[in-house]
Amino acid sequence: SAVISQKPSRDICQRGTSLTIQCQVDSQVTMMFWYRQQPGQSLTLIATANQGSEATYESGFVIDKFPISRPNLTFSTLTVSNMSPEDSSIYLCSVEIGEGYTEAFFGQGTRLTVV
Amino acid sequence: AQKVTQAQTEISVVEKEDVTLDCVYETRDTTYYLFWYKQPPSGELVFLIRRNSFDEQNEISGRYSWNFQKSTSSFNFTITASQVVDSAVYFCALSPLRAAGNKLTFGGGTRVLVKP
Repeated sequence: SAVISQKPSRDICQRGTSLTIQCQVDSQVTMMFWYRQQPGQSLTLIATANQGSEATYESGFVIDKFPISRPNLTFSTLTVSNMSPEDSSIYLCSVEIGEGYTEAFFGQGTRLTVV
Repeated sequence: AQKVTQAQTEISVVEKEDVTLDCVYETRDTTYYLFWYKQPPSGELVFLIRRNSFDEQNEISGRYSWNFQKSTSSFNFTITASQVVDSAVYFCALSPLRAAGNKLTFGGGTRVLVKP
């Protein structure tokens, strides 16, 4: 299994500013994923973060808006840039720990409110 | 492209009633994983089950049971003798097997409200 810690757990930010969310895993993982859950909605994959290479973004998400770093096998950050109220969501980090595991592990999420 | 549909947006039951959550999926992959997650009001995602597409055996875990029917592309979830603590949003999700289960496509979720 894996224990995932996300920071901050919640934040209220002014529009036009940026917030960086951290995801720390207690073991080395091959791939890390960032999801967004808008209020009352389902989860949508933003991007896949691979160590040592550029993140791979899903349709509708761009690097300028959601830059991602993956400096090592246990850590990743997601930045929400130039925020607007529409960015108010829960952002979740998820990890893959290789073959043979039985579940996809999620962090507890970061609740972002943009005012 | 993959798609997961949870037609029921909200279900309200009285405690001890059974509740079944429907999940229908679309995928071009011949092998894939299906998942169910629970999201209580606190917001975290709680893993409930993962099912491989080549394993169509139904599964029971305590008060939870799952009915996977590949012929109808459905993976339904039943809570037997519901309790107030079962109140949450439940998500069905799909992943291609090659991604080892993490690049998930989620359904819209079904909110379950269990009244005492």
